[in-house]
Amino acid sequence: EVQLVESGGGLVQPGGSLRLSCAASGFTFYTYSMNWVRQAPGKGLEWISYITSGGVIIHYADSVKGRFTISRDNAKKSLFLHMNSLRAEDTAVYYCARHYSDSSGEAFDYWGQGILVAVSS
Amino acid sequence: SSELTQDPAVSVALGQTVRITCQGDSLRTYYASWYQQKPGQAPVLVIYGQNNRPSGIPDRFSGSSSGNTASLTITGAQAEDEADYYCNSRDSSGNHRVFGTGTKVTVL
Repeated sequence: EVQLVESGGGLVQPGGSLRLSCAASGFTFYTYSMNWVRQAPGKGLEWISYITSGGVIIHYADSVKGRFTISRDNAKKSLFLHMNSLRAEDTAVYYCARHYSDSSGEAFDYWGQGILVAVSS
Repeated sequence: SSELTQDPAVSVALGQTVRITCQGDSLRTYYASWYQQKPGQAPVLVIYGQNNRPSGIPDRFSGSSSGNTASLTITGAQAEDEADYYCNSRDSSGNHRVFGTGTKVTVL
């Protein structure tokens, strides 16, 4: 069974830093690209970052570029999101999501349960 | 990055058919994927590519695309289909992914 479990969330002051982790199990982690997606309270989904299976290609949404860093440890089957210079508008539930791609298209086929990050003084 | 626009809300009578649309320039190049999200839960993939359903998704869910519009159709809506639905695709650069604004589906 595919499982993605986020951890590391919590309350942080504006300007602070936080590192989210996503522990993967039930699939060959090192063969899949991964994503982070967030959802502010009462708002829609926002894609924020993507990393290929080997970590060579990385993309960020403009809203987090220069402040957030995505990384992965394939040996530990883990995905990370390092968040710096946090702002109130970064308050959201953060999801890690597996990236699936075949000849028919691509999608986020499995999601974690999400972890809340609250930025407030 | 480009935007994907969805109607904020639609309603459907139990057992009837509802179509949810997603509009954006990037959809002329890339297929959309569709996600169902119920309150307090993580999103669930329901359709991807031209019209592909992951294992476990009922066949009353189907997808289509024409020009700059992707559509998700629920044929014979059930009470459990009441949820928020989001489309997703690449943006015009091809590097970023973008979600639609979301559609709340109410089953009457």
